[in-house]
Amino acid sequence: RKEVEQDPGPFNVPEGATVAFNCTYSNSASQSFFWYRQDCRKEPKLLMSVYSSGNEDGRFTAQLNRASQYISLLIRDSKLSDSATYLCVVNEGTGNQFYFGTGTSLTVIP
Amino acid sequence: NAGVTQTPKFQVLKTGQSMTLQCAQDMNHNSMYWYRQDPGMGLRLIYYSASEGTTDKGEVPNGYNVSRLNKREFSLRLESAAPSQTSVYFCASKPSDRAYNEQFFGPGTRLTVL
Repeated sequence: RKEVEQDPGPFNVPEGATVAFNCTYSNSASQSFFWYRQDCRKEPKLLMSVYSSGNEDGRFTAQLNRASQYISLLIRDSKLSDSATYLCVVNEGTGNQFYFGTGTSLTVIP
Repeated sequence: NAGVTQTPKFQVLKTGQSMTLQCAQDMNHNSMYWYRQDPGMGLRLIYYSASEGTTDKGEVPNGYNVSRLNKREFSLRLESAAPSQTSVYFCASKPSDRAYNEQFFGPGTRLTVL
């Protein structure tokens, strides 16, 4: 069983749409959670950390549900520049063992 | 600041050849990591160095060795390359080994083993 699972998509949405991604993790002891963005043939870059109370950064909202062991990312008012692969990342508490999902591909269409 | 740099950007090896991938960071980070990324799989941790002078195995260490040369540099060595090691390799660093720290990634090395 994979540590972190994501729907690979692809998600193709029109500009201005709202899109949501979910991610599940297997280890209930996991301590920290992140969403990274990866553009084609580039390195991953942090989009946002995910806090227990949920957090928002502009058009992006991240939620954590520890009871159900899933993390979500909501993107409102999608822009063409949001087209990328979104990686769910979980740290199991050691500080060094990060587990990455396979990524969810998003294409925003004009 | 250059952040995390990696060399080379691309490399083609024949089976059995050896090579070292170089990584350096100028952010004064304590912890450094090597990952590989393969199609259909998430990034997988090969080795990490929580602090200067220490290294530990990650999820997929077989066929690799590492050296934390100093606080800035963390190299990954393939002693006898195999086609299964064809992948994109990313180096990353973060300020400390605290779980909540963000990782910063280098641009990657695309390695093909024939």
